[in-house]
Amino acid sequence: ETVMTQSPVTLSLSLGESVTLSCRASQSVSNKLAWYQQRPGQAPRLLIYAASTRATGIPARFSGSGSGTDFSLTISSLQSEDFAVYYCQQYDDWPPITFGQGTRLEIK
Amino acid sequence: EVQLLQSGGGLVQPGGSLRLSCVASEHSFSRDAMSWVRQAPGKGLEWLSYISRGGGTTYYADSVKGRFTISRDNSKTTLYLQMNSLRAEDTAVYYCAKHVTESLSSDVWGQGTMVTVSS
Repeated sequence: ETVMTQSPVTLSLSLGESVTLSCRASQSVSNKLAWYQQRPGQAPRLLIYAASTRATGIPARFSGSGSGTDFSLTISSLQSEDFAVYYCQQYDDWPPITFGQGTRLEIK
Repeated sequence: EVQLLQSGGGLVQPGGSLRLSCVASEHSFSRDAMSWVRQAPGKGLEWLSYISRGGGTTYYADSVKGRFTISRDNSKTTLYLQMNSLRAEDTAVYYCAKHVTESLSSDVWGQGTMVTVSS
């Protein structure tokens, strides 16, 4: 099973700042990596798939990069609706499909 | 865009059974592979089960293998999760999710349904 590790667990940032979230796989997952945003009380929302492809309707301030074992999600110019929990997910070595434990983005 | 509407959650005693349903709003449902994902209170996301477009291929997480069964009825655009021998640790919000074509990322999710296993 491929273990996904996200860092940091929590980030405190201000509106307008930019941030990069990290996700590391315990073995190569090629580019089979997705990022999700989850706001409190809501279902996850797909942001990025295939490591760097934005999902339909996702603003350009969200960008993904990486391949193999190291991936990142960058959010430029944070807006209030961006403060949420972010999960990475690998779908190369499956089953099982595995998620990282999440990174919580908080308003400073 | 397709929408997924879930039903069937609730309170059940340990050892009991429950069936979750997930109805898709469009008949394109038959072209999409689907999964169930759950989230225990205050915890992260856990993938549970996958079913191919036609229903002929299914996979399960070890945590539910032998207890849960995924199925689908494309004529009713409905996905199911039959849950048997429920345990306290199965308490979670359960989501159905549609996979992106040729990918296992999920671009459409149901609203989630709470399952509580308690005596």
